Amino acid sequence: DIQMTQSPSTLSASVGDRVTITCRASQSISSWLAWYQQKPGKAPNLLIYKASRLESGVPSRFSGSGSGTEFTLTISSLQPDDFATYYCQQYNSYPYTFGQGTKLEIK
Amino acid sequence: QVQLQESGPGLVKPSETLSLTCAVSGGSISSYYWSWIRQPPGKGLEWIGYISYSGSTNYNPSLNSRVTISVDTSKKHFSLKLTSVTAADTAVYYCARDSTRTVAAAGFDYWGQGTLVTVSS
Repeated sequence: DIQMTQSPSTLSASVGDRVTITCRASQSISSWLAWYQQKPGKAPNLLIYKASRLESGVPSRFSGSGSGTEFTLTISSLQPDDFATYYCQQYNSYPYTFGQGTKLEIK
Repeated sequence: QVQLQESGPGLVKPSETLSLTCAVSGGSISSYYWSWIRQPPGKGLEWIGYISYSGSTNYNPSLNSRVTISVDTSKKHFSLKLTSVTAADTAVYYCARDSTRTVAAAGFDYWGQGTLVTVSS
């Protein structure tokens, strides 16, 4: 199985900050990576797919980059609604696997 | 707007079979794959497996021998069965539309709201 490792596990930031979350794959996954946002008690919501493509309806302050084994999710200017947990997920090969999550907290 | 809705028992006894159904509305069940994903309380996400509209399946090897996913295109729903459950299978179970193998190669783009299944006697 491909292992997905996110860093940091927890991130404290303030409204207006620029933040970056990193996701590393244990082997190359090309650009077959998605990012999700999950709020407590809710299902995950797709933000980014194919490493850098913004899902329809997702604010443009979210962006993704990377290929191969290293990927980043950047939020350019944090808004109050962005405090949540973020997961990366590879879909290069089965079984699909997720990172352990990054909890974005208010500083 | 595609909507997914899970249904099934919220409590299952150890060693018994967990059975859930996901109803798809607002869109076609054809041309897509449909996945089950679970999340133990306070933990991360685990992909369980998928089924295509034509009935092909792929399961996570960690659960392979206990999982069966089926689809009924006429009723626009797909189902999950997990046998011989233990407390470790306690989780919120989500169904999701799997767009990873479409032309767009997107991820899981529509999710149900999730249903908590507790394994306990």
